[in-house]
Amino acid sequence: KNEVEQSPQNLTAQEGEFITINCSYSVGISALHWLQQHPGGGIVSLFMLSSGKKKHGRLIATINIQEKHSSLHITASHPRDSAVYICAVPLTGSGGGADGLTFGKGTHLIIQP
Amino acid sequence: DAGITQSPRHKVTETGTPVTLRCHQTENHRYMYWYRQDPGHGLRLIHYSYGVKDTDKGEVSDGYSVSRSKTEDFLLTLESATSSQTSVYFCAISDYRGRDEQYFGPGTRLTVT
Repeated sequence: KNEVEQSPQNLTAQEGEFITINCSYSVGISALHWLQQHPGGGIVSLFMLSSGKKKHGRLIATINIQEKHSSLHITASHPRDSAVYICAVPLTGSGGGADGLTFGKGTHLIIQP
Repeated sequence: DAGITQSPRHKVTETGTPVTLRCHQTENHRYMYWYRQDPGHGLRLIHYSYGVKDTDKGEVSDGYSVSRSKTEDFLLTLESATSSQTSVYFCAISDYRGRDEQYFGPGTRLTVT
């Protein structure tokens, strides 16, 4: 079973700051997922990536397959970015995720105006 | 947004009663998942389905059963609810023809008293 570690667990920053959230996993994978969950809200998929870097607006996700590590960056952070960010990988490593995902415990991000 | 609904959205029930949660999708995706989310544990896989009548256990399947008689519906049953099953339950779907994302339903908050 894959194990996922996220850091930091909690992060408070000022509006405009550059944010980095880290994720490490134990078993080689085909792809890694970054998810967002607003307080009391549902879960939204932000990225799924298997190599290199992806960018959506102010969000950037990178992955280093050899080091089993991924980072999620937020540029020019805004209070609406306040949410829990969750990293997830296939439960059984390179199984592709078809048999489910295993998740980090999440990073609680608060952006203060 | 992917067409996924869950019902009920909130439920309070007593210990020892049976409970069934429903996940309904309009995307015709092959794979469906039930996860539970708890403070300190994050999201964990309960059961998943890889087709009609094809299901398998996840990480925390004890006390739960599932059924999938149609592509669009995936039912989660707690045969005899216990207080430890108080949680938020999320359904997710994916097609996994390639390396596809998982799309999450809005969640069901279940309280067992």
